[in-house]
Amino acid sequence: QVRLQESGPGLVKPSETLSLTCTVSGGSISDRNWWGWVRQPPGKGLEWIAEISRTGTSYYNPSLMSRLTISLDKSKNQFSLKLNSVTAADTAVYYCARGIGAADYWGQGTLVTVSS
Amino acid sequence: EIVLAQFPATLSLSPGERGTLSCRASQSIGNSLAWYQQKPGQPPRLLIYDASSRATGIPARFSGSGSGTDFTLTISSLELEDFAVYYCQQRSNWPPLTFGGGTRVEIK
Repeated sequence: QVRLQESGPGLVKPSETLSLTCTVSGGSISDRNWWGWVRQPPGKGLEWIAEISRTGTSYYNPSLMSRLTISLDKSKNQFSLKLNSVTAADTAVYYCARGIGAADYWGQGTLVTVSS
Repeated sequence: EIVLAQFPATLSLSPGERGTLSCRASQSIGNSLAWYQQKPGQPPRLLIYDASSRATGIPARFSGSGSGTDFTLTISSLELEDFAVYYCQQRSNWPPLTFGGGTRVEIK
């Protein structure tokens, strides 16, 4: 059974960088083509953030692209997200997931609050 | 960017009733549409991919149909655990992948 687990700080100050890591267990990150991040502001809908392939090709949401970096570490079976210059609008539950547009495995999500 | 409109925003039904949820794309996306179910405090759960294929372990009461711009998720007979929020998502023309705004299915 594949499992994904997000990790990272739950509180980030405005203008700083949000850094999250997703650790994959029960399977190899090389087993599937795409791995990605989705976020959900409190009480609101889902927003796709970014996706990375097992070969390192990445795609970003154009609305966030200038602030985003997604990376992959096959040796650790992890992929990571960095979002810089955060504001209160970036407060959300951040999910990592497997797959493009048909994500069959998800992490439980981690709430990241942007506040001073 | 492809915009997905879901309607109705809220669907009030009783257990045992049939639920019909709609998703309309701003341009043709072929059959590149998925449906997810989300309950409070949980991640989304994949129900349907490629418009009509049920994901692993999804009960047969869930079915998807449609192509092009108009799609439907049907729950043939609602059970208590089906009351949740449902999202559609397209992967035809990306980035960005986009989600609809969601339909809340509530107990009448």
